[in-house]
Amino acid sequence: EAGVTQFPSHSVIEKGQTVTLRCDPISGHDNLYWYRRVMGKEIKFLLHFVKESKQDESGMPNNRFLAERTGGTYSTLKVQPAELEDSGVYFCASSQQLAGGIDEQFFGPGTRLTVL
Amino acid sequence: AQKITQTQPGMFVQEKEAVTLDCTYDTSDPSYGLFWYKQPSSGEMIFLIYQGSYDQQNATEGRYSLNFQKARKSANLVISASQLGDSAMYFCAMREGPSGSARQLTFGSGTQLTVLP
Repeated sequence: EAGVTQFPSHSVIEKGQTVTLRCDPISGHDNLYWYRRVMGKEIKFLLHFVKESKQDESGMPNNRFLAERTGGTYSTLKVQPAELEDSGVYFCASSQQLAGGIDEQFFGPGTRLTVL
Repeated sequence: AQKITQTQPGMFVQEKEAVTLDCTYDTSDPSYGLFWYKQPSSGEMIFLIYQGSYDQQNATEGRYSLNFQKARKSANLVISASQLGDSAMYFCAMREGPSGSARQLTFGSGTQLTVLP
């Protein structure tokens, strides 16, 4: 079974440009999460989808970030316009919707975003 | 206040020795789960072990065990018989809420473990 995949693995853009990150969760996983790790800091939660609905977007830093999950499958995270402080590694994770289970989150390899 | 604290930015261990990576947490929720993830230099996050707040016994997964001390709010990871391939960043994380609630994880700052030959 394929794991969580993310595209691209690396992206280098200039300040003010737009970047779109993509995440394909494990098939059948209703829960999809975005996290990011800014250099030298903790991994921080951004938002959580259940199927196509945003369950929790309390971690989104500002309105330059837009996440979508059309059809409840893959998700995109768009940063427009990008700022220097957006540089970091963006992780996507997915989990099954289980009642009482461990609800382990499976992580993708991350997208390393560098804003110059 | 920090919800997950990992006080060891870096640790060294001799191959075949055991090592303990510290993690303390802070929550007022009676139901929570604690996770450890490994991040090798390749970047992917690999789930290692889980401990639920109501679990009576410490979790074990192969060479990994979790020393769960609920009253002290600590969930230290013990790796036995270290191998060179264990060299990686290790993250402690917490989910507040009951199992299956699918809530976000809160991460610590990580511990970089280096296994010496």
